[in-house]
Amino acid sequence: EAQVTQNPRYLITVTGKKLTVTCSQNMNHEYMSWYRQDPGLGLRQIYYSMNVEVTDKGDVPEGYKVSRKEKRNFPLILESPSPNQTSLYFCASSLQGARANVLTFGAGSRLTVL
Amino acid sequence: DAKTTQPNSMESNEEEPVHLPCNHSTISGTDYIHWYRQLPSQGPEYVIHGLTSNVNNRMASLAIAEDRKSSTLILHRATLRDAAVYYCILKGTDKLIFGTGTRLQVFP
Repeated sequence: EAQVTQNPRYLITVTGKKLTVTCSQNMNHEYMSWYRQDPGLGLRQIYYSMNVEVTDKGDVPEGYKVSRKEKRNFPLILESPSPNQTSLYFCASSLQGARANVLTFGAGSRLTVL
Repeated sequence: DAKTTQPNSMESNEEEPVHLPCNHSTISGTDYIHWYRQLPSQGPEYVIHGLTSNVNNRMASLAIAEDRKSSTLILHRATLRDAAVYYCILKGTDKLIFGTGTRLQVFP
């Protein structure tokens, strides 16, 4: 089944403890991106990647890092999480970043930073 | 980047058609109009997209104004499973901007 898989789905952590949210897709998609969703703010893009070793900032990149060493994986790294990063995170992928291409989203990862 | 404006919420009765509007007055000539929906406790899922002409698929229809400054997602017969938040986005660059969407309630 074609899908985007995120792990963990739920995580509670403490301020300053580094964590990584993994994202993997099995569709050979070039384009991958991360979003966070907060009440009243909708979905906001954190980072995106057009292909292996190519990443760029979205609208809210502060406090996050990403890497794209392999085509299928696009982990989101929080080096020193803070409570304002408590949110619901979604990873998505598409064939390319082109205007017509459709995104496939993961099921989401709910992160709580205490 | 271009912005979209949608009503916060709409209501419908089951089996009735639903027209969800979206304004995007700053759309550029190459921006595609995409619609996604998010069911409770799930990630967004693709609904439909188009550039200039109206589009139909098994889920919905997309009506695009002639000047492309607005569009309407049409659900021909709403079901309870269509209750979700519907997002209209413009996909013109590698970045994507989602608005806050329209929460659709469907009543039996």
